[in-house]
Amino acid sequence: EAQVTQNPRYLITVTGKKLTVTCSQNMNHEYMSWYRQDPGLGLRQIYYSMNVEVTDKGDVPEGYKVSRKEKRNFPLILESPSPNQTSLYFCASSFTGGAYSNQPQHFGDGTRLSIL
Amino acid sequence: GQQVMQIPQYQHVQEGEDFTTYCNSSTTLSNIQWYKQRPGGHPVFLIQLVKSGEVKKQKRLTFQFGEAKKNSSLHITATQTTDVGTYFCAGKGNYQLIWGAGTKLIIKP
Repeated sequence: EAQVTQNPRYLITVTGKKLTVTCSQNMNHEYMSWYRQDPGLGLRQIYYSMNVEVTDKGDVPEGYKVSRKEKRNFPLILESPSPNQTSLYFCASSFTGGAYSNQPQHFGDGTRLSIL
Repeated sequence: GQQVMQIPQYQHVQEGEDFTTYCNSSTTLSNIQWYKQRPGGHPVFLIQLVKSGEVKKQKRLTFQFGEAKKNSSLHITATQTTDVGTYFCAGKGNYQLIWGAGTKLIIKP
C-alpha cells in the first residue's frame, strides 16, 4: 500500500532532550516536506527536500534540522526542543516539487509532540 | 512574501445547507490545490486547478479558479455530516506551495 509513515505518532518529552521524528515513503517520491500545524495558523512548512542530499528551509525552520541521505527517508530532528515546538507535525511527499511541479502531496498520519 | 488568505476561519451550517470557502492570493498562482482534513486526520488531496477561470465538480463539491489566477473557491451543496473537517487551499507560487489557514466546516446539531 502506498503510504507515508511517521513515527512516533505521539510523544511527550522535556525541554532540551534531543528527539527525532522519522518519515518514510514507499512511493519513490523525489520531493519530501515537513509541516507543523497549529490552531488558526494552518500548515507551515519547516523544511523540504527536492531530492537526495538536497534540502532547503521552509517558512519556520528555526530549531529544526533535517537530512535526506536516502530517497525514502526524511527525518526531522529537534536538537534542543522547547515548549514553543509543541505542535502537530506532518510529513508529506510528492513525485516532484518546486516551481515546475503540479504534483499533489501525500501526507503521513501526523506526530503530536508535547514539549514540557 | 507571497501569501494566501483563506476565509472564513470557521463556518457553522445546518445539515443540508451550503458551504463556501474562499482563497485569495497576493500574487498570481500557477495552480491551486485543495485538501480536506477530517478531524484527527491528515490532509488529503481533493483536486487541482490549473487554467484561468477553470471550474471542476466532484459530486456536491464545486471548485473554481479565478480569471486572474489569484483567487479560488470551494462550494459544497447540501452539506452532509461526512463533509465535516477543515478545507485547505494551497497555491503554487514561484517555488513552493503556499497554504491557506483553512476553513473548518462544522455541522450544527
